[in-house]
Amino acid sequence: DTAVSQTPKYLVTQMGNDKSIKCEQNLGHDTMYWYKQDSKKFLKIMFSYNNKELIINETVPNRFSPKSPDKAHLNLHINSLELGDSAVYFCASSQEGRSEQYFGPGTRLTVT
Amino acid sequence: GIQVEQSPPDLILQEGANSTLRCNFSDSVNNLQWFHQNPWGQLINLFYIPSGTKQNGRLSATTVATERYSLLYISSSQTTDSGVYFCGDSGGSNYKLTFGKGTLLTVNP
Repeated sequence: DTAVSQTPKYLVTQMGNDKSIKCEQNLGHDTMYWYKQDSKKFLKIMFSYNNKELIINETVPNRFSPKSPDKAHLNLHINSLELGDSAVYFCASSQEGRSEQYFGPGTRLTVT
Repeated sequence: GIQVEQSPPDLILQEGANSTLRCNFSDSVNNLQWFHQNPWGQLINLFYIPSGTKQNGRLSATTVATERYSLLYISSSQTTDSGVYFCGDSGGSNYKLTFGKGTLLTVNP
């Protein structure tokens, strides 16, 4: 049983396209996150949601729009993809915002 | 926000050697975690350790919250220990982890 799952695992697309990444957790957590890992392996928070409410938007361009249909899901939609969006995107979850976070396997996005 | 400094940035070991990785924090430690990112890119939880000492097999971690640092000890290293080790904490904020730049560990047979 995968605790935090993401689809797809790999995503290759052209500049200007729109794409979505899906995340689901079966841990019963109420808080979910999106992190971005760049080519230098630096991990940075993008968004966090608690009980479907946006808590943190860490100066991410408007082209990125997260959506949380329920506490177990947090999807990431990206419009007008740019070369600089190429990265690995990790979803994570925790119980409340101040406890251990568990990460999904990551989605490697390549924009050509 | 909190700043996280990890050292050393790179470490090369022979199998069987021991090592210590360190994280320093600029703010109070509240939510400290250690992760191992394996060569396949998975982020594996090692320890959730806002304070004190924990051990799990050959790995142990100590956090001294009053002095804002944490140490990860790896004993009798194996080639499967290779990868990048990250620490992260939320500092005074909740709902996110701020990570260090990682320590790239290479264990040679």
